[in-house]
Amino acid sequence: GESVGLHLPTLSVQEGDNSIINCAYSNSASDYFIWYKQESGKGPQFIIDIRSNMDKRQGQRVTVLLNKTVKHLSLQIAATQPGDSAVYFCAEKENEKLTFGTGTRLTIIP
Amino acid sequence: NAGVTQTPKFRILKIGQSMTLQCAQDMNHNYMYWYRQDPGMGLKLIYYSVGAGITDKGEVPNGYNVSRSTTEDFPLRLELAAPSQTSVYFCASSYRGYTEAFFGQGTRLTVV
Repeated sequence: GESVGLHLPTLSVQEGDNSIINCAYSNSASDYFIWYKQESGKGPQFIIDIRSNMDKRQGQRVTVLLNKTVKHLSLQIAATQPGDSAVYFCAEKENEKLTFGTGTRLTIIP
Repeated sequence: NAGVTQTPKFRILKIGQSMTLQCAQDMNHNYMYWYRQDPGMGLKLIYYSVGAGITDKGEVPNGYNVSRSTTEDFPLRLELAAPSQTSVYFCASSYRGYTEAFFGQGTRLTVV
């Protein structure tokens, strides 16, 4: 779940390696999940989404995995590039309400 | 299309002052949201709306008010600004159902 009041956890990955960013969500009634990327000074941008009736979805260089049993979501980024440096948030939607997890700062090591 | 437009981009308020953060979307989206993001932290939901005339509280509504008189606009009102409201405010909108929310560029508010 979310750790209120703590700063963002950080993940450092070598350029070209795969990145895995994890998210624990809290609401078992959430039926739709979204990963967002936020670059410095900008608003969040959509990366990929998944509905609760799926456990995996793939996009271009990204894969989202959903484990409803343990309420866990992960984002896998293949062949990480410098442009992937950002803060990544998972968001969960129950009916109309969209709430965000704490976020993870991804840093790419050249 | 402009998407989600927020004004102003920056504002400094004195303690006790009031202001309205404007948010407009031109995508005919039903749902609109206001979030705040403190430095180095995640996004907290303040208020949201599922359509004109309907608003609901999010996780941190105290000190804020909203209205939704049209589909396009969703202003956020701060009545008595406090230093704890120093933050970046994001507005977002989405269509119904299983669709992502689109975000504005944010309003950076400092209360001194």
